[in-house]
Amino acid sequence: EAQVTQNPRYLITVTGKKLTVTCSQNMNHEYMSWYRQDPGLGLRQIYYSMNVEVTDKGDVPEGYKVSRKEKRNFPLILESPSPNQTSLYFCASSPSISPGNTIYFGEGSWLTVV
Amino acid sequence: TQLLEQSPQFLSIQEGENLTVYCNSSSVFSSLQWYRQEPGEGPVLLVTVVTGGEVKKLKRLTFQFGDARKDSSLHITAAQPGDTGLYLCAGAGSTSGTYKYIFGTGTRLKVLA
Repeated sequence: EAQVTQNPRYLITVTGKKLTVTCSQNMNHEYMSWYRQDPGLGLRQIYYSMNVEVTDKGDVPEGYKVSRKEKRNFPLILESPSPNQTSLYFCASSPSISPGNTIYFGEGSWLTVV
Repeated sequence: TQLLEQSPQFLSIQEGENLTVYCNSSSVFSSLQWYRQEPGEGPVLLVTVVTGGEVKKLKRLTFQFGDARKDSSLHITAAQPGDTGLYLCAGAGSTSGTYKYIFGTGTRLKVLA
């Protein structure tokens, strides 16, 4: 089954404790991206990757890091989480960034930073 | 900066009623997509429109792309409780030669039985 898998689905952590949210896709997609979803603000892009070893900042990259060492994996790293990073996070993938391509989303990761 | 504004933000209607959701921008998009998101899940694609003036129908849902490719609408006929969810539009635009998807702020629809 074609899917984007992210873990953990739910996490409560403390300020400053490094954490990683993993993301994996099994569709051989070149393009992967991370979004955060907050009430009234919609989906905002954090980072994206056009292909292996190619990553770039989205609209809200501050406080986040990513890596793309393999095509299927695109982990999101919070080196020193802060309460304003409490949010619902989605990993997504697409064959490429060409207009009209379907974006496939993971089920989301609820992150609370206290 | 390209922005997509959706209206209304919230909509609560009775089963059987019709409704229209709007997605507007001052920017031109190469394509526009509509997604539906249900609680606890990621958004799922409903439709993609690429040509100005294009109309697509998906059962009781009708999608239209504006002639100038700056806006879109989603019309639902005879809404059912199963239509409840968050509807998101997403436009594909080019910035400095790179395409990017911009998501609207969403319309949360609740259909009451």
